[in-house]
Amino acid sequence: SYVLTQPPSVSVAPGKTARITCGGNNIGSKSVHWYQQKPGQAPVLVIYYDSDRPSGIPERFSGSNSGNTATLTISRVEAGDEADYYCQVWDSSSDHPEVFGTGTKVTVL
Amino acid sequence: QVQLVESGGGLVKPGGSLRLSCAASGFTFSDYYMSWIRQAPGKGLEWVSYISSSGSTIYYADSVKGRFTISRDNAKNSLYLQMNSLRAEDTAVYYCARGQYTGEFDYWGQGTLVTVSS
Repeated sequence: SYVLTQPPSVSVAPGKTARITCGGNNIGSKSVHWYQQKPGQAPVLVIYYDSDRPSGIPERFSGSNSGNTATLTISRVEAGDEADYYCQVWDSSSDHPEVFGTGTKVTVL
Repeated sequence: QVQLVESGGGLVKPGGSLRLSCAASGFTFSDYYMSWIRQAPGKGLEWVSYISSSGSTIYYADSVKGRFTISRDNAKNSLYLQMNSLRAEDTAVYYCARGQYTGEFDYWGQGTLVTVSS
């Protein structure tokens, strides 16, 4: 089945830019979605369809997807952005269609 | 507003059974596919099972296939997960989530904890 690989952790200073990668075979041909999860809470969708933002998600969150890597970018990082982030794709060719990445812990220094 | 509320979690012995429910409100339940997603303590998200809007198409993760059964009752706006032959590795918070046609989960429940232990 399809595998999505993320770095375990990313550290960033407040006000700087955090980039979280999600690697998968030809992931650029799929729609990638991103979730933020804070401790003790359910995941929240922050980017869908590679680069669209749900209502209520700050413009500081953006996404891109090409080749074998999708990227979630968080600009002007704030302390409140500290969380786990997961990428996800729908693999329509599989009978295991929903695939999550391994997750990345973002730490704000 | 959209709400998903899971229930039915608890402590169960290995080999036991449990039935999770997810009550949906604030949207036309029968228009959306649904999934169960779990998260073991300190671990990442793991997709468990998918059911189409009508219930005609169902998928399972290999880790639960043959032991878990997903179902839905569109008249009752409810999603279910029947879990049999439970193992210690099934211990997790179980979330129900609403799926969109582009593949993302736009709404999640608060989760229900299942603990499998003797």
